[in-house]
Amino acid sequence: GAVVSQHPSRVICKSGTSVKIECRSLDFQATTMFWYRQFPKQSLMLMATSNEGSKATYEQGVEKDKFLINHASLTLSTLTVTSAHPEDSSFYICSAPTGTGFQETQYFGPGTRLLVL
Amino acid sequence: GENVEQHPSTLSVQEGDSAVIKCTYSDSASNYFPWYKQELGKRPQLIIDIRSNVGEKKDQRIAVTLNKTAKHFSLHITETQPEDSAVYFCAASGSARQLTFGSGTQLTVLP
Repeated sequence: GAVVSQHPSRVICKSGTSVKIECRSLDFQATTMFWYRQFPKQSLMLMATSNEGSKATYEQGVEKDKFLINHASLTLSTLTVTSAHPEDSSFYICSAPTGTGFQETQYFGPGTRLLVL
Repeated sequence: GENVEQHPSTLSVQEGDSAVIKCTYSDSASNYFPWYKQELGKRPQLIIDIRSNVGEKKDQRIAVTLNKTAKHFSLHITETQPEDSAVYFCAASGSARQLTFGSGTQLTVLP
């Protein structure tokens, strides 16, 4: 199947700093990517939809000024957690759909575990 | 928006028995229903999916059924093995392509 990578896999930062997470589609182009957040023992919650060449669409309750998304190319979307705080500690996972219509499937990146001290 | 409910939250079965996980969704426009298996600390892995144009799909020991009228779909795992132990998530999506996940089921297969 298609491959989606994420970097870094794990990051520890101090409160108040910013952290950038990259999501790449390695063998296909993705005009749309999705960012999810997963707290321990909980489900995946959609944060935002990343659109190549245009602004991201954020879900209700997600602060767009805190979670900056940039989809600069057809294979790369970045999520920057600005002024991170301990409550932002979570597992961040991106996904990218490939195929069209009834053949479309979403592939997930390996996730980035963020710990804010 | 879409709302997906999943039951049960935990499920323990003896090795070799079957396991069934059920989900309901709210948006009648949803047309894609994947199931993911997630092991601790890892990404969700797609194990089977079904689209609204079919009612049932099977892949070896795994099957999924969809009832569009009732807006529910189910995952069936037969001849369970210890390596099937994981958290399973159902999800639904429509034209917007984003996935709405259920709350997850912790499946434990006892040897």
